[in-house]
Amino acid sequence: EVQLLESGGGLVQPGGSLRLSCAASGFPFSSSTMSWIRQAAGKGLEWVSTVSETGDTTYYADSVKGRFTISRDDSKNTVFLGMSSLRTEDTAVYYCVRGGWVHWGQGTLVTVSS
Amino acid sequence: DIQMTQSPSSLSASVGDRVTITCRASQDINNYLAWFQQKPGKAPKSLMFETSKLQSGVPSKFNGSGSGTDFTLTINCLQPEDFATYYCQQYITYPRTFGQGTKVEIK
Repeated sequence: EVQLLESGGGLVQPGGSLRLSCAASGFPFSSSTMSWIRQAAGKGLEWVSTVSETGDTTYYADSVKGRFTISRDDSKNTVFLGMSSLRTEDTAVYYCVRGGWVHWGQGTLVTVSS
Repeated sequence: DIQMTQSPSSLSASVGDRVTITCRASQDINNYLAWFQQKPGKAPKSLMFETSKLQSGVPSKFNGSGSGTDFTLTINCLQPEDFATYYCQQYITYPRTFGQGTKVEIK
């Protein structure tokens, strides 16, 4: 069974940093692209970032470019999203998604507030 | 960036109805269009990819069609479990972009 388990969310002040993790199991992780999608309360889905299977290619939404960093550790079957210079508008539930978009994690809430 | 525009943003329908949601891309996306269903408090669920291909386990009452820039999702014989928000998404290029969503509510 495919499982994606996000962690690392929480309350952080504007300008602060946070690192999200997504532990994957049940599929060949090293062969999968991995993405992060976010959703602010009552709003739609926003793609945030994607990392290639090899980890050497990354993509970012303009809204997070230069502030967020996606990475992966295939030895731990984990994908990360490093977030810095956080803004109130980054407040959202962040989902980890396997390439193909069939498998999603349950989401982790990031709240940026003073 | 490719803009995805869904219509309507919401609709009311009764159990047994057929509903159609449209999605328009700001440029040709070939058939690289997916549809997702999301229920409150839950992660989205993939329904369809490449415009009209059903994901495993998705019932055939969901139909996708279209090409180029104009696409539709039709849901036949609405059931209580179908009341949700539906999103289209293009994946021909980055940034991946979603439509704003269509909320299907019970009349």
